[in-house]
Amino acid sequence: QKEVEQDPGPLSVPEGAIVSLNCTYSNSAFQYFMWYRQYSRKGPELLMYTYSSGNKEDGRFTAQVDKSSKYISLFIRDSQPSDSATYLCAKINDYKLSFGAGTTVTVRA
Amino acid sequence: DSGVTQTPKHLITATGQRVTLRCSPRSGDLSVYWYQQSLDQGLQFLIQYYNGEERAKGNILERFSAQQFPDLHSELNLSSLELGDSALYFCASSINRESNTGELFFGEGSRLTVL
Repeated sequence: QKEVEQDPGPLSVPEGAIVSLNCTYSNSAFQYFMWYRQYSRKGPELLMYTYSSGNKEDGRFTAQVDKSSKYISLFIRDSQPSDSATYLCAKINDYKLSFGAGTTVTVRA
Repeated sequence: DSGVTQTPKHLITATGQRVTLRCSPRSGDLSVYWYQQSLDQGLQFLIQYYNGEERAKGNILERFSAQQFPDLHSELNLSSLELGDSALYFCASSINRESNTGELFFGEGSRLTVL
């Protein structure tokens, strides 16, 4: 079993819709969670990180961690075509960064 | 632009061959990480170096090896190549020895095709 499970999608939404992305993890010892964004033919870039339960907002992006259910979520409000990318959740364990499979999102204009 | 430079961008070779991928980290970053990304396995951690020393090892095959040089650039050597080694190989860097906040800066990758 992978340490972080993520539905690879793909996910296609109209412009302006809310995008909801989810991951589950198996190890309760995890404390740090991240979301990376990867555009086509580019390397991943850090979008958000959080190290506690609850919500963290950054502009149109909200990261949510529910440690009781071992669930990580990313919400994108008012989605734009420029948000079309692959989104990877990640966690740190023993100082090593491990990624989910990534969900490919397409925002249609 | 992340500041991490990887060469070559594309590489096509045959089974059984050996290739070397090169990475220059961001200025000032001491840690270098190598990741392999394939469609079926996603982004897999291979190995980390910190200031010239191996720091952590992931799912790196024995046919693969890496090193970090005194000028902090790193090379990933892939030998006895198999078709299944075709993938994107990413290098990432960070300033710290441990990635406490998970912020790594990735290069644009080297796409390896083994025929």
